[in-house]
Amino acid sequence: GAGVSQSPRYKVAKRGQDVALRCDPISGHVSLFWYQQALGQGPEFLTYFQNEAQLDKSGLPSDRFFAERPEGSVSTLKIQRTQQEDSAVYLCASSQSGGTGGLEAFFGQGTRLTVV
Amino acid sequence: SQQGEEDPQALSIQEGENATMNCSYKTSINNLQWYRQNSGRGLVHLILIRSNEREKHSGRLRVTLDTSKKSSSLLITASRAADTASYFCATDRTGRRALTFGSGTRLQVQP
Repeated sequence: GAGVSQSPRYKVAKRGQDVALRCDPISGHVSLFWYQQALGQGPEFLTYFQNEAQLDKSGLPSDRFFAERPEGSVSTLKIQRTQQEDSAVYLCASSQSGGTGGLEAFFGQGTRLTVV
Repeated sequence: SQQGEEDPQALSIQEGENATMNCSYKTSINNLQWYRQNSGRGLVHLILIRSNEREKHSGRLRVTLDTSKKSSSLLITASRAADTASYFCATDRTGRRALTFGSGTRLQVQP
């Protein structure tokens, strides 16, 4: 596609509900990243995929967070038993090659998750 | 946690003036990038400067990097109302593929 596409744009979940957030990266981009952005803050790294391999998940805040990219293209970030502190914008980014060393990352518009 | 801090946190200027934003970071880096984020939107890449570069220009943007002080600055010249946005610096370093972002500067350009 022309850019990174995320869906849904907005999600309201009741506390305890499971949610799934989708990311369609730019076609052919090897690397895919998920970030969490709290209101008024910069994005914080969650996890990184190179093709279908999840090479870094050190930023996932708890075992309620799970991400996958089974065919090396579309990725899903799943949050189980959502809590109010999970409310944030979840950003997906892709880049052409491995990592972002010297390469720009292309970001989607994000999914704004509100847990009530 | 954030890699570093941006300064100032918020900046309000008049159209036509220059805007300068500063970024400090904590660890050795390979590259530093600046991104812009309009309200409710994703981040857009502006410019990248490598650790062995000291200054870089792109249109109305000028970026400097001082690795000895672990700091960078972004200068936007002749600002326009459309430059109103949040600006973030982001670094990458050896052994970590993801970008680490600062806390951002919210720029308001008054028409």
